[in-house]
Amino acid sequence: SAVISQKPSRDICQRGTSLTIQCQVDSQVTMMFWYRQQPGQSLTLIATANQGSEATYESGFVIDKFPISRPNLTFSTLTVSNMSPEDSSIYLCSIIHDGNYGYTFGSGTRLTVV
Amino acid sequence: KQEVTQIPAALSVPEGENLVLNCSFTDSAIYNLQWFRQDPGKGLTSLLLIQSSQREQTSGRLNASLDKSSGRSTLYIAASQPGDSATYLCAACGTSYGKLTFGQGTILTVHP
Repeated sequence: SAVISQKPSRDICQRGTSLTIQCQVDSQVTMMFWYRQQPGQSLTLIATANQGSEATYESGFVIDKFPISRPNLTFSTLTVSNMSPEDSSIYLCSIIHDGNYGYTFGSGTRLTVV
Repeated sequence: KQEVTQIPAALSVPEGENLVLNCSFTDSAIYNLQWFRQDPGKGLTSLLLIQSSQREQTSGRLNASLDKSSGRSTLYIAASQPGDSATYLCAACGTSYGKLTFGQGTILTVHP
């Protein structure tokens, strides 16, 4: 199955700054997803990223806050903009396999905003 | 709107016990259901994927069952080990390229 490399694995950032998280997949995939996991909570989908089109955001998430790029079929970035302590979470990218429609997740980025 | 619930929220067992984690979902029209393991502060590791047409899947000491009509899935772990300690998440997918709806997870602790 596909392998996802996600970086950085963790970061501590000052409020008001931005952080870009990268995900690289070792094979071409149709769809990539970005999830957020707030402390003690389960995962919530931020957006779906398709190559060559704008990302589709879930209710409560907006492009100005979480801009996403998907320049090709193996790579995507998520930027967390103008950060506040409430953005402290684990952010995860994932892909869906075209064969069995199962998901694989990256190793996550643990973000702390101070 | 799909809702996924996992019971129990936490479970502590001695090493060697067989155990069952429960997952229920409100909308039975799922495409598949997937069980994941998450170690603290880490990403998710896929354990088992059950398609809607399947009743169960097995991998090593793990067995997952699916009953769509009752909206339930169970994850059975045989002969538990301390290395099994983690959070276990189930997630339901509504369509072939749809998003996952996650449960809140079961925190499992297996003590020696």
